[in-house]
Amino acid sequence: EAQVTQNPRYLITVTGKKLTVTCSQNMNHEYMSWYRQDPGLGLRQIYYSMNVEVTDKGDVPEGYKVSRKEKRNFPLILESPSPNQTSLYFCASSFFGLPYYEQYFGPGTRLTVT
Amino acid sequence: AQSVTQLGSHVSVSEGALVLLRCNYSSSVPPYLFWYVQYPNQGLQLLLKYTTGATLVKGINGFEAEFKKSETSFHLTKPSAHMSDAAEYFCAVSTENTGTASKLTFGTGTRLQVTL
Repeated sequence: EAQVTQNPRYLITVTGKKLTVTCSQNMNHEYMSWYRQDPGLGLRQIYYSMNVEVTDKGDVPEGYKVSRKEKRNFPLILESPSPNQTSLYFCASSFFGLPYYEQYFGPGTRLTVT
Repeated sequence: AQSVTQLGSHVSVSEGALVLLRCNYSSSVPPYLFWYVQYPNQGLQLLLKYTTGATLVKGINGFEAEFKKSETSFHLTKPSAHMSDAAEYFCAVSTENTGTASKLTFGTGTRLQVTL
């Protein structure tokens, strides 16, 4: 089954404790992206990757890091989480090259930073 | 720059009534337009998309949307609401950027409630 998986689905952590949210896709997509969803703000892009070893900032990159060492994986790293990073996070993937390619979303990771 | 405005953060309709969710976009180049749906505790899934050609686009679950360039709109409709349509709906716009990844910009979402 074609899918994007994220782990963990739920995470409660404390300020300053480094964490990683994993994302993996099995559709051989070049493009992968991280979004955060906050009430009243919709989805905002954090980082994206056009292919292995190619990443770039989205609209709200501060406080986040990413890496793309393999085509299928795109982990999101919070090196020193803060309460304002409490949010619902989505990973997405698609084929790269044309703007009308559908993005496939993971199930989301709900992060709470206390 | 591109942007999306969704009028109404919450819409409530009776089962069997018409569903109309509004979306207006801003883009300096021809847009590609999408509607995604998010059911509770799930990720987003594509309902329908407009690329080129026919301006009336049909999607899954009986939804459709019409691209109106003169009004810069892409409203989502369904003739008869069902309880299972209760979800959050996001309109999104993308444009072609030569040499770089095309960016998908989302609206703030509209939560649809369906009542008996």
